[in-house]
Amino acid sequence: GQQLNQSPQSMFIQEGEDVSMNCTSSSIFNTWLWYKQDPGEGPVLLIALYKAGELTSNGRLTAQFGITRKDSFLNISASIPSDVGIYFCAGPETSGSRLTFGEGTQLTVNP
Amino acid sequence: NAGVTQTPKFRILKIGQSMTLQCTQDMNHNYMYWYRQDPGMGLKLIYYSVGAGITDKGEVPNGYNVSRSTTEDFPLRLELAAPSQTSVYFCASSSRDRGFGYTFGSGTRLTVV
Repeated sequence: GQQLNQSPQSMFIQEGEDVSMNCTSSSIFNTWLWYKQDPGEGPVLLIALYKAGELTSNGRLTAQFGITRKDSFLNISASIPSDVGIYFCAGPETSGSRLTFGEGTQLTVNP
Repeated sequence: NAGVTQTPKFRILKIGQSMTLQCTQDMNHNYMYWYRQDPGMGLKLIYYSVGAGITDKGEVPNGYNVSRSTTEDFPLRLELAAPSQTSVYFCASSSRDRGFGYTFGSGTRLTVV
């Protein structure tokens, strides 16, 4: 099946720093989704991207749908302690009935 | 709207016991999913359903069963609990209208001892 490779696997940063993470695939996706999972909670959808080249922001978060449709990037500016969590990328499988998830990027923000 | 509701939030089972994890959604979503997440790991799909009366296996279905008699409910059954089933279980739902963006429940933390 389709696979999504997320990197980095984990990040340890200082409060106020900017963060960048990415997700790549060997196959094309028509939609890219970014989720955040707070500790002890279920993942919550942050940003959805539907068109190649699309750049979408949600507050301090910005995500881009790669031109090749095989990658996507998530940037967080001026990180704060509540940004801590696991960030997952996801895209619909070719069957169209379920999502493929990346393995996640664990973000730790030191105050 | 409550979204996706999972019960119980926590449970300890003894080896060999059985239980049902409940999941209900009030968004009239056709698609529902069960995932497990082991510590420090990603999400693994156990079972999913594209509508009432239709279920299909995911990556890790062994040791689990599901049913989908209504659009709203998608319970997950563990028949003979094993320590390897210690995990956090998430239920999710989606509709085509949202580009398959899932809404997740808050999870059930299960320990098998």
